[in-house]
Amino acid sequence: DVKVTQSSRYLVKRTGEKVFLECVQDMDHENMFWYRQDPGLGLRLIYFSYDVKMKEKGDIPEGYSVSREKKERFSLILESASTNQTSMYLCASSLWGTGGFATTGELFFGEGSRLTVL
Amino acid sequence: SQQGEEDPQALSIQEGENATMNCSYKTSINNLQWYRQNSGRGLVHLILIRSNEREKHSGRLRVTLDTSKKSSSLLITASRAADTASYFCATDAHAAGKSTFGDGTTLTVKP
Repeated sequence: DVKVTQSSRYLVKRTGEKVFLECVQDMDHENMFWYRQDPGLGLRLIYFSYDVKMKEKGDIPEGYSVSREKKERFSLILESASTNQTSMYLCASSLWGTGGFATTGELFFGEGSRLTVL
Repeated sequence: SQQGEEDPQALSIQEGENATMNCSYKTSINNLQWYRQNSGRGLVHLILIRSNEREKHSGRLRVTLDTSKKSSSLLITASRAADTASYFCATDAHAAGKSTFGDGTTLTVKP
């Protein structure tokens, strides 16, 4: 079974702190994604990556950056955490081109990281 | 921007009844997927339907896709208490390479 592991289930940080959220997948997937989930807003895409050292902005990249130094690892970085970044963060991965060119195919999600910024 | 929108936002039924959830979207898609999320957990993939398919079945799940109306429905037959969860549709817009999710439908199945 594909496994997507997020390093922390729960984090509490203070405003202004630098926060790292780590995600590792074990199925050699090309695509990796970071979403945040908030009540009433559904899942919103922050950043995604099709390959090592490659990244693309999603719908809400402001205040975030990402790093993909190895194929299996995709990190989300909050350079200076703010209270409006309190949320559930979900990492996902998928095979490239499943079902056709530039298609996402089935996403495999981690269990989520619930971040609280005080 | 939200591509998919689910309807209803919340649905409460008795065990054994069928549950139907709908999803509408705005732009042309490659495929549409349905996911399930138990409270406080990650999402789990249920079923994928491609833009050239009209109906797909998987166990107690039936998904339909009407690309002319830009809508899809998920039917869960003979529901169980364990089906209690939030259900999301996700659309993979043409040449976008990413999935966009709706707000979800929260299903409660009472024993």
